[in-house]
Amino acid sequence: DSGVTQTPKHLITATGQRVTLRCSPRSGDLSVYWYQQSLDQGLQFLIQYYNGEERAKGNILERFSAQQFPDLHSELNLSSLELGDSALYFCASSPRLAGSGELFFGEGSRLTVL
Amino acid sequence: AQSVAQPEDQVNVAEGNPLTVKCTYSVSGNPYLFWYVQYPNRGLQFLLKYITGDNLVKGSYGFEAEFNKSQTSFHLKKPSALVSDSALYFCAVRDGSNSGYALNFGKGTSLLVTP
Repeated sequence: DSGVTQTPKHLITATGQRVTLRCSPRSGDLSVYWYQQSLDQGLQFLIQYYNGEERAKGNILERFSAQQFPDLHSELNLSSLELGDSALYFCASSPRLAGSGELFFGEGSRLTVL
Repeated sequence: AQSVAQPEDQVNVAEGNPLTVKCTYSVSGNPYLFWYVQYPNRGLQFLLKYITGDNLVKGSYGFEAEFNKSQTSFHLKKPSALVSDSALYFCAVRDGSNSGYALNFGKGTSLLVTP
């Protein structure tokens, strides 16, 4: 158990809809990362927050957004969903912005868009 | 951006034999390199990392990795494979170029250890 909690574990929705994925980082971790894992694209970095502020953006679509709240949990919002958004979405956390570098991953939220 | 490549989609090895999962990197500056493992329907688990120091890094579950600067490689190794090692293995590099220090992952290599 990494200590990172993601909800929901599974989500099935329809095209055009909007969903929110939630992540609680390990206790004391200030940095949260979101990744998307799909068969064709592999593991893609989406966005990172550190202590409530956005720090880095990867391959995140404009239809997607995220935020980190004062209690350090984070939410990833996916809107106008398309079939191709079906994937496993991971949250990871780390204690500091850089540090020794390893990230601690949650179990993921599997999104299926029908 | 910093990147890694895993040239093999799948590696098959018999139980008890040594295993190697390959990774090459492309970075500017000193690389921070990582290996992670993913079991079915699970998140990624950290195995080991190289930041500086000895080129042979030891990690969890008997795995080790060899950093080779001249060949820009960071191959994952284990002297004697177990069936339970069957999983998806990811090499990663820390990307400090975007100020967030996220990890950039390779496409993954599926390891199958047969009895």
